[in-house]
Amino acid sequence: AQSVTQPDIHITVSEGASLELRCNYSYGATPYLFWYVQSPGQGLQLLLKYFSGDTLVQGIKGFEAEFKRSQSSFNLRKPSVHWSDAAEYFCAVGARNAGNMLTFGGGTRLMVKP
Amino acid sequence: NAGVTQTPKFRVLKTGQSMTLLCAQDMNHEYMYWYRQDPGMGLRLIHYSVGEGTTAKGEVPDGYNVSRLKKQNFLLGLESAAPSQTSVYFCASRWGQGVYNEQFFGPGTRLTVL
Repeated sequence: AQSVTQPDIHITVSEGASLELRCNYSYGATPYLFWYVQSPGQGLQLLLKYFSGDTLVQGIKGFEAEFKRSQSSFNLRKPSVHWSDAAEYFCAVGARNAGNMLTFGGGTRLMVKP
Repeated sequence: NAGVTQTPKFRVLKTGQSMTLLCAQDMNHEYMYWYRQDPGMGLRLIHYSVGEGTTAKGEVPDGYNVSRLKKQNFLLGLESAAPSQTSVYFCASRWGQGVYNEQFFGPGTRLTVL
């Protein structure tokens, strides 16, 4: 069965600083990988996804993620964080099964210092 | 175009009471999902549906039932609520079979069972 680990529960960065959120996955085949963001009191919004091709994926809001098969990782990055990026971030892996379900990591809560 | 909507937004139940959460989508999506979100555990799949009249169990189905009588609606029922079911519940929908297709999430229902 697939699984996702996000090692950092909380991260605090200063506004304007760079950001990297870690994600490690376990899946037997080539994975479909996703990053979602959840603002306070809101549902989840897709930031970006990877399923083949270029291992560096660009998403919305200036985010990017890099797929590294050798490390089973799909880390999310942003060069300069804005205060509005404060939210919870979820990494997920998609499985090719009856429901084509997503398995989510535990999430990383990002706080941004002014 | 409202996307995915959930009713109600908040609810407080006493142990043993029953209730139904309604999810509606206006995007003509075939796939619909119910998740629960608990701190540090990400989102876990309760039940899902791959089309009108179909339902299937997810990762944590015990204590819940679902129905998909109309394509646009997916109902989640709790027959006898327990404190362990205190959580935030999210509904999502997706177009088509491809696991790479984006899941669109509703705003969530916060349920407290006393």
